[in-house]
Amino acid sequence: NAGVTQTPKFRILKIGQSMTLQCAQDMNHNYMYWYRQDPGMGLKLIYYSVGAGITDKGEVPNGYNVSRSTTEDFPLRLELAAPSQTSVYFCASSYDSGDYNEQFFGPGTRLTVL
Amino acid sequence: RKEVEQDPGPFNVPEGATVAFNCTYSNSASQSFFWYRQDCRKEPKLLMSVYSSGNEDGRFTAQLNRASQYISLLIRDSKLSDSATYLCVVNNYTGFQKLVFGTGTRLLVSP
Repeated sequence: NAGVTQTPKFRILKIGQSMTLQCAQDMNHNYMYWYRQDPGMGLKLIYYSVGAGITDKGEVPNGYNVSRSTTEDFPLRLELAAPSQTSVYFCASSYDSGDYNEQFFGPGTRLTVL
Repeated sequence: RKEVEQDPGPFNVPEGATVAFNCTYSNSASQSFFWYRQDCRKEPKLLMSVYSSGNEDGRFTAQLNRASQYISLLIRDSKLSDSATYLCVVNNYTGFQKLVFGTGTRLLVSP
């Protein structure tokens, strides 16, 4: 199993551009999550999904959109990129959402907005 | 006040040393607790869950004190490969697993 994969690994955007960060998992996990990690800060939840067709906002959703058309894929869309969106983005998945379910993380996408 | 607070370190220790990290959390309703490990420029990976009774996994021991809202991680016989950032993570379950991450404690183990 590849686990959780993310593309691209790195990207530089100009202010106002748009892009989609790709995330896929091959573990048949129902739950998927997008986080961002800023330097010196803890990971913050952007959006999450409890299954295909169902998504909801996390703590910091502004400026982002998601979709979940299949169990495997959970892309994150940035519209009108801003310097404040410069961050490392991690996608994660878990089989269930119980108390002690482990979340598995992808390798991350490093995004710089100039 | 941050929901999850950790000393950022770095903790510089020699190989073979014992080192302890602490973490406090503010939400008394938090339901489950974890330590994740994050290597430089890599993704977080689960190190161990933290149960009310305390638990041990090899050289690693985790403790939870719900009354004081305090979590600890003890690493015995430190190895060079233990050098990483250790993230204290709290689950504020609200129908789904809402993880709240601390900023991490950096550990550097030297020869």
